[in-house]
Parts: sequence; C-alpha cells; structure tokens
Amino acid sequence: NAGVTQTPKFRILKIGQSMTLQCAQDMNHNYMYWYRQDPGMGLKLIYYSVGAGITDKGEVPNGYNVSRSTTEDFPLRLELAAPSQTSVYFCASSQTRTEAFFGQGTRLTVV
Amino acid sequence: RKEVEQDPGPFNVPEGATVAFNCTYSNSASQSFFWYRQDCRKEPKLLMSVYSSGNEDGRFTAQLNRASQYISLLIRDSKLSDSATYLCAVIASNTGKLIFGQGTTLQVKP
Repeated sequence: NAGVTQTPKFRILKIGQSMTLQCAQDMNHNYMYWYRQDPGMGLKLIYYSVGAGITDKGEVPNGYNVSRSTTEDFPLRLELAAPSQTSVYFCASSQTRTEAFFGQGTRLTVV
Repeated sequence: RKEVEQDPGPFNVPEGATVAFNCTYSNSASQSFFWYRQDCRKEPKLLMSVYSSGNEDGRFTAQLNRASQYISLLIRDSKLSDSATYLCAVIASNTGKLIFGQGTTLQVKP
C-alpha cells in the first residue's frame, strides 16, 4: 500500500519562484494536514482539511495556499518563495481524530 | 502561549534507565492525544495513543491528566534503539486540528 505519497522529495527554488508540493493518500482518509519542520524544531501546522472542499488555516499559513478538490489529493502551493520557507514539509492524513500517517517529506531550499 | 509544549531536552540516559517526558496542552477542548516517534530526517510515526485511563505497550506507558492538562510518556529499561525525538500531539474537538509539541530528544548511551 502506498499510504501517503509526497512529491518531490527534494527541491531547490530561487527567491520569488513558485511551486506546488503534491500530496496524495490512498486510504480514503477525510483529514489531511500540511506541516513544516525547521531544524531542531517540532511540526508546525500550515493548513489542514477535514474533507473535500474544506480547508482551514493552521499555525503558520502565511505564504502558502491549499486546495482539496478530491479526497485523495491535498496540494500545497508556495507563491513568491522566500528563504524563510526553507524547511522540510510533511503531509499527513487520518480518519477523523485518529492516528495520522505521514508522507516521507519534501526537503525544500530557497536560495 | 503555545498550544502544546514539551521540554526539548536533550535527555541523555544510560542503557537500562527509566526516563519520563511530559507534555502540556492549553486547549481544554482537546480530546485525542498521541505520542509519535521521529528518527533523524524521517517522518514521524505513531508510538502510541493516550487514553484517559492510561495505557501501556511493553516498556512504554502513557498517561493523561485532564485536570492539569498534560500527558506523559514513561520509557522503562531504555535501549540504544530508543534514541529518537518524541513528539506529543493533540487534537482539539472543536477544530479537528492536530497540533504537535516541539519534540523531546532522547539519547540513550551504552
């Protein structure tokens, strides 16, 4: 089983460029989350979704956008990348308020 | 105040030691509680859920104190392989947000 799949695994962006981090899950989970993790820090919630068509801000949403047109996919969009967005990004999914399963992460560097 | 707080450590303990981590949460509407383990540069994985009555899984014991709004994780007979970062996580019933603490780093030494 694939579980949660994130692409790409690594990416280098130049300041001001845009990109979309892809996240797909095949477990029919209704909840999906995007986190960022800076070195030595915990996971900070960027955006989350409780179902298709529903998204909400987390702790650090500025500079990011999301959409949830299907149950399976939850892409994260970075507009006008900044060095402060250099981080490891994790996508996760869960059934309602149960264990979350994570993707392997996307390591993003903005230079 | 952060919604979920942990002592980042690091905790350096010898093999065989017992070590305990605490995690406090600020939202009294929180209803689901978890401990995750994260190895270096890997994704977090569930270690155990935390139930109101407390629960045990081998050398690991988790407890919840709703009155004081904290959860704890006790690791007995530490192994070298327990070296990792332990993250507590909380879901608020009113939003469904899954919020993580900063993580506590454990280093078990021979």
